[in-house]
Amino acid sequence: VQLVESGGGGVQPGESLRLSCVASGFPFSSYAMHWVRQAPGKGLEWVAFVSYDGSNEHFADSVRGRFSISRDSSKNTLFLQMNNLRREDTAMYYCAKNYGAYGGTPDAWGQGTLVTVSS
Amino acid sequence: QFVLTQPPSASGTPGQTVTISCSANRSDIELNYLYWYQQFPGMAPKVLISRNDRRPSGVPDRFSASKSGTSASLVINAVRSADEATYYCATWDDTLTGRVLFGGGTKLTVL
Repeated sequence: VQLVESGGGGVQPGESLRLSCVASGFPFSSYAMHWVRQAPGKGLEWVAFVSYDGSNEHFADSVRGRFSISRDSSKNTLFLQMNNLRREDTAMYYCAKNYGAYGGTPDAWGQGTLVTVSS
Repeated sequence: QFVLTQPPSASGTPGQTVTISCSANRSDIELNYLYWYQQFPGMAPKVLISRNDRRPSGVPDRFSASKSGTSASLVINAVRSADEATYYCATWDDTLTGRVLFGGGTKLTVL
């Protein structure tokens, strides 16, 4: 399993960013996926979930209404669209594969992409 | 609200057995698998224990885990300095909508 995130960077509060995660080594269209973040010096915080077919999505309260998650199975790619970014969204963002098709817990992680929100 | 609680720190000397707990405030922890992750500074988390008590290939058998009632434990036998890392427990919580619930993490120090 390989998960490679990209799209992170430095933005100002209120701006948008789109993260991507290219998956390989497993049948991407058969597994749910997650985004998990980790603020500097803090613990892991789950951000968003999408089921194997994109029919179910869940978001953390802290990002609901600002972030959206999607997947393109033709390109084995997971996305996280982040709008109206806040300073507290500053974190390393990890893409993670779920252990099954529906709700569950990550069983593989990417290396992460860093998002910094600062004026 | 469903919460997983871990001690913020744990320690041991080389060769000792260290146990890290993960306790839930609700019995919903029994409904879904519990995972344990190991994270070294500056690195991505890695799955240490999957599906309550399974070791993925490559994880030494010094690491084991169990779950009973509203709590779970990660046991590290013959702890080594290379085990110094932060350990997280996690489970799926579908009591309201759906989310992954992480414990706060336990930083292990090998003295």
